[in-house]
Amino acid sequence: GDSVTQMEGPVTLSEEAFLTINCTYTATGYPSLFWYVQYPGEGLQLLLKATKADDKGSNKGFEATYRKETTSFHLEKGSVQVSDSAVYFCALSLKTGNQFYFGTGTSLTVIP
Amino acid sequence: DARVTQTPRHKVTEMGQEVTMRCQPILGHNTVFWYRQTMMQGLELLAYFRNRAPLDDSGMPKDRFSAEMPDATLATLKIQPSEPRDSAVYFCASGLSPKAGEQFFGPGTRLTVL
Repeated sequence: GDSVTQMEGPVTLSEEAFLTINCTYTATGYPSLFWYVQYPGEGLQLLLKATKADDKGSNKGFEATYRKETTSFHLEKGSVQVSDSAVYFCALSLKTGNQFYFGTGTSLTVIP
Repeated sequence: DARVTQTPRHKVTEMGQEVTMRCQPILGHNTVFWYRQTMMQGLELLAYFRNRAPLDDSGMPKDRFSAEMPDATLATLKIQPSEPRDSAVYFCASGLSPKAGEQFFGPGTRLTVL
């Protein structure tokens, strides 16, 4: 079935470190891919998205590239800040419907 | 600034009581989702609606949970009777269908059942 697998956390990094959170997917069709972020006490909010192969989504210094050949959508940031501490969710949505499949979430803590 | 609203934000109740959670989706959105988030299970899809019709509620315990959309501006999730294992944060999200696209999440209702 359709699913998303993401790197387990928690992840702890020092400020200005490089971040990678891995995400791979399984889908029967050609999904759109998303990264959502959840700050403490809040709902999920869209961080970035990509709708077709080789697209790169980017926002707030975060990037992810839709790789069809490796079925991956890894999240990267070159220099994390304390304010990036949150839980990050990878997700996919099939174009045949509107149902989303979320990963289990990866908790990131950035220490000064 | 359009956003999904949920009420109440926090609810503490005793086992056996009825709980009703409400959601106002973003105006114009035709798809509404209910999720439950716990530390153990993560984010679980309970039900979703398109154009007010339930499309999938397979993630919802049918004996005690019910979800409805009385009109396009209101979605409700009811638990009757509530149990301690229902304690979780319940999120509502809305979006546009049938195109695959972004879901907009509300702030959640934190439910504690004693």
